[in-house]
Amino acid sequence: EAGVAQSPRYKIIEKRQSVAFWCNPISGHATLYWYQQILGQGPKLLIQFQNNGVVDDSQLPKDRFSAERLKGVDSTLKIQPAKLEDSAVYLCASSPGQGGETQYFGPGTRLLVL
Amino acid sequence: KQEVTQIPAALSVPEGENLVLNCSFTDSAIYNLQWFRQDPGKGLTSLLLIQSSQREQTSGRLNASLDKSSGRSTLYIAASQPGDSATYLCCTTTDSWGKLQFGAGTQVVVTP
Repeated sequence: EAGVAQSPRYKIIEKRQSVAFWCNPISGHATLYWYQQILGQGPKLLIQFQNNGVVDDSQLPKDRFSAERLKGVDSTLKIQPAKLEDSAVYLCASSPGQGGETQYFGPGTRLLVL
Repeated sequence: KQEVTQIPAALSVPEGENLVLNCSFTDSAIYNLQWFRQDPGKGLTSLLLIQSSQREQTSGRLNASLDKSSGRSTLYIAASQPGDSATYLCCTTTDSWGKLQFGAGTQVVVTP
């Protein structure tokens, strides 16, 4: 079974530029999550989708971050404009049902904002 | 708001010793608690999931206990090996949608 795929793996941009990350969850998984992990901290949930709908985006900085999940499968997370404090690893995860089960994580995208 | 704390932040042990990793949380109304492993440049891998009604879970050399009343969990790794070197993250779920609240992790180094 293929795991959660993410791209790109690394990205370096200058502040005020925009960037987009892509995630392909495990086939058939209904729930998709985006996490932000700053160096030395645990992951923090940014947004959770169940199929096409948003379940929780309470910690998503909506003035600069946006995310969508088209057709309930792939998802993109965008930052526009980026700030220095957005430097982090962005992790995508998926789970089979509506949540509460084990989540399967992708390898993450490491973002450096200069 | 759930706060999850892991102590120590880093740990180094010689191969063969047993590892004891601690996790504490402030809100005892959890659905479950999980321990994850994170290797550099890789995502997280779930090690053990303890439902709120359970006291412990075991998988091979790993054993995790849960004491909801005191807000504590402990991960034991028996007879550590260099391949156990990684960061171990504890997290809780306090809603039915599965939102995870993570601790900052314990970085473990097992020396040959």
